[in-house]
Amino acid sequence: DADVTQTPRNRITKTGKRIMLECSQTKGHDRMYWYRQDPGLGLRLIYYSFDVKDINKGEISDGYSVSRQAQAKFSLSLESAIPNQTALYFCATSDLTSGRQFFGPGTRLTVL
Amino acid sequence: SQQGEEDPQALSIQEGENATMNCSYKTSINNLQWYRQNSGRGLVHLILIRSNEREKHSGRLRVTLDTSKKSSSLLITASRAADTASYFCATVGAGGGADGLTFGKGTHLIIQP
Repeated sequence: DADVTQTPRNRITKTGKRIMLECSQTKGHDRMYWYRQDPGLGLRLIYYSFDVKDINKGEISDGYSVSRQAQAKFSLSLESAIPNQTALYFCATSDLTSGRQFFGPGTRLTVL
Repeated sequence: SQQGEEDPQALSIQEGENATMNCSYKTSINNLQWYRQNSGRGLVHLILIRSNEREKHSGRLRVTLDTSKKSSSLLITASRAADTASYFCATVGAGGGADGLTFGKGTHLIIQP
């Protein structure tokens, strides 16, 4: 969905480095999500946020942190990247009534 | 843990044929959604079916939902090469989905020209 953007689109980094992935949306949705996708698997939820004051852990939050700077911005940080965090990361927003989600294009992260 | 399990994991058919994918899930749902993902790209929402609905159509797509069996199917009729992609089912829990979607592992569909 063009209304959900992610930066960077690709990133290669080294073990131990701190990495931030950014997500911005123009859909006006309060709910935002971060997922990761590993090869051959569906998406797994890392963190989600209902508004700037509400942050919640998802299924696989260990090793990650998030910041909701504004309604439109939701960042994901890897404090000290490790190789098994190599994955495709997606940001999404959610329509309040249906739960339908709108996904960004993804960030491909490689940790060497 | 992942809620949905798609079946088959991979499907290869000839262009023009119909493709059917199935999804099973474990817990009560508010709705079930199907998404398409072209290789390595973002997910595109295809269709949403609510727990009180049994069938829904959108263009060449037909989705069924059987809550008693906790299963859903996605039928793509008259397939085209452009339908080649991975298809995921995702569920919204009975609580309304505030905590996000729970995805299956997906079915990789290949349409042979």
